[in-house]
Amino acid sequence: DTAVSQTPKYLVTQMGNDKSIKCEQNLGHDTMYWYKQDSKKFLKIMFSYNNKELIINETVPNRFSPKSPDKAHLNLHINSLELGDSAVYFCASSQAWAGGYEQYFGPGTRLTVT
Amino acid sequence: SQQGEEDPQALSIQEGENATMNCSYKTSINNLQWYRQNSGRGLVHLILIRSNEREKHSGRLRVTLDTSKKSSSLLITASRAADTASYFCATDVLGFQKLVFGTGTRLLVSP
Repeated sequence: DTAVSQTPKYLVTQMGNDKSIKCEQNLGHDTMYWYKQDSKKFLKIMFSYNNKELIINETVPNRFSPKSPDKAHLNLHINSLELGDSAVYFCASSQAWAGGYEQYFGPGTRLTVT
Repeated sequence: SQQGEEDPQALSIQEGENATMNCSYKTSINNLQWYRQNSGRGLVHLILIRSNEREKHSGRLRVTLDTSKKSSSLLITASRAADTASYFCATDVLGFQKLVFGTGTRLLVSP
């Protein structure tokens, strides 16, 4: 069974479009995250949610809007896509707040904006 | 930037050799974690070491933490081709509700 799953795995789209990435975890974890990994492999947190509540919004443009319908799901919607949004986006979860707990990562969604 | 830095950026060794990666960070931490990322995959947690611990082992992995020098090292003993991956340290920074990932070390283990 996949612990943290993301769809789609690849996403190719044109500038200006709106797209969504979905994430689900079946680990019963309370906390979920979105990370962005750029072409140099730098991994940076974007958002974290604990029990459906936003706890971190890391200076991300408001074109990015996370939504957590329940604590097993955290989706990411991106409006008006720009070239600089091209990256790999990872969803992750942890039993509770990150610091003292290991995080489980999904396989990633490679977003290419043309 | 709070981001940790790892060195070397890339490391190439033969199977059976040991691999050592270092991580330096800038601020006080609660704990430090190491993750592995295989090409095209998500990160996998390897080990967590708390700020009051100096050394931790897990199988062929040995992690040390020196909070006075704000540095950590990951040693992989008797490396295998399957250890080829990127390795990241991640710090749980005091006062911040997030993990800050380092720049990563790309390890290549040749058969």
